[in-house]
Amino acid sequence: KQEVTQIPAALSVPEGENLVLNCSFTDSAIYNLQWFRQDPGKGLTSLLLIQSSQREQTSGRLNASLDKSSGRSTLYIAASQPGDSATYLCAVRLTTDSWGKLQFGAGTQVVVTP
Amino acid sequence: SQTIHQWPATLVQPVGSPLSLECTVEGTSNPNLYWYRQAAGRGLQLLFYSVGIGQISSEVPQNLSASRPQDRQFILSSKKLLLSDSGFYLCAWSYRENTEAFFGQGTRLTVV
Repeated sequence: KQEVTQIPAALSVPEGENLVLNCSFTDSAIYNLQWFRQDPGKGLTSLLLIQSSQREQTSGRLNASLDKSSGRSTLYIAASQPGDSATYLCAVRLTTDSWGKLQFGAGTQVVVTP
Repeated sequence: SQTIHQWPATLVQPVGSPLSLECTVEGTSNPNLYWYRQAAGRGLQLLFYSVGIGQISSEVPQNLSASRPQDRQFILSSKKLLLSDSGFYLCAWSYRENTEAFFGQGTRLTVV
């Protein structure tokens, strides 16, 4: 059974620091991994999708890396801002799951202080 | 561009009452549609999945059902709500099983 873990569960940094969020998964037979952002009481906003054949994906201040063999992905957010405060979730899709089900980690709650 | 709409945003219902949550997608055709539930302390769980009109797959047995009467419309229902049905319900869509997923703004359901 696939287990997706996000550590730490919570993180507080001063504005301007770089954020490093970790995601690990136990089954390396994945199609892809997707990072989301969730603001309190809101839905999920897709940040980055990284395919299993890719090592890295970038969008603006965001960079996601993927090491499928070791079951790890890292989301880097450069020069954090108070507006980056949110919960960040990673999710994987298994190649053995024909439904395209996303299996989620529990998330990392980020607070960026001014 | 594609957009996904969910309503209502919040709902308070008594135990034993029926439920109907609606989700629609605009700007695409024949999307894969999903219902997820996010419960406190339990993370996000897939409830139902649909690849086309009238085609529904259930991930876990429960007090809920889903229907897809039109290509871009996905409905989550219950005949009689339980306290344990409380949670945050999210609709999502993707082009295919292994492409990027996009989520709606969610419905906060409280069963009292």
